[in-house]
Amino acid sequence: GAGVSQSPRYKVAKRGQDVALRCDPISGHVSLFWYQQALGQGPEFLTYFQNEAQLDKSGLPSDRFFAERPEGSVSTLKIQRTQQEDSAVYLCASSEGAAQPQHFGDGTRLSIL
Amino acid sequence: EDQVTQSPEALRLQEGESSSLNCSYTVSGLRGLFWYRQDPGKGPEFLFTLYSAGEEKEKERLKATLTKKESFLHITAPKPEDSATYLCAGRQMDSNYQLIWGAGTKLIIKP
Repeated sequence: GAGVSQSPRYKVAKRGQDVALRCDPISGHVSLFWYQQALGQGPEFLTYFQNEAQLDKSGLPSDRFFAERPEGSVSTLKIQRTQQEDSAVYLCASSEGAAQPQHFGDGTRLSIL
Repeated sequence: EDQVTQSPEALRLQEGESSSLNCSYTVSGLRGLFWYRQDPGKGPEFLFTLYSAGEEKEKERLKATLTKKESFLHITAPKPEDSATYLCAGRQMDSNYQLIWGAGTKLIIKP
């Protein structure tokens, strides 16, 4: 069956531009997570959705980061006025329930010039 | 502070040479220890969940074990295709979804 799909796979943007990253979770998965992963490190939690409700956004680094999941399926992570320190791989994961194993997409590699 | 530490950072083995990867944790009231495999340019792939000390799970050449302070991922007679970064993560007692991640062990199996 289809796994978690993320697009684009690579994104290059100039400092100050806005970017939007998309995540298509596994069909029927209630829980959706966004992570940021730096090279050589484990994923860092950004935000968590249960259906369309954003229950935790404590990991978002600044108010330039915004995530939504309006219909409880596809999610978008938006970064406004990008900075060089935003360069990283952004991973999306979904699970049947909050406590169930998370299944990851292959990520979007974001490079800010 | 809750923390997950993996060792070694990198491990090079010859094909067929068995070894173990370590994941030590200081996560209060651990409610699950997760192992994932990550290939370059890919997202983490779920391998195992362990919930209580003494529990063991196996999949092909991999076996994960859990004690009260650490988890081990034993790899028996590895093949080059087992080369990857192995990540572990612990879930805290007061959260049913937040994971504390280690930095991973990069495993290289030479033919």
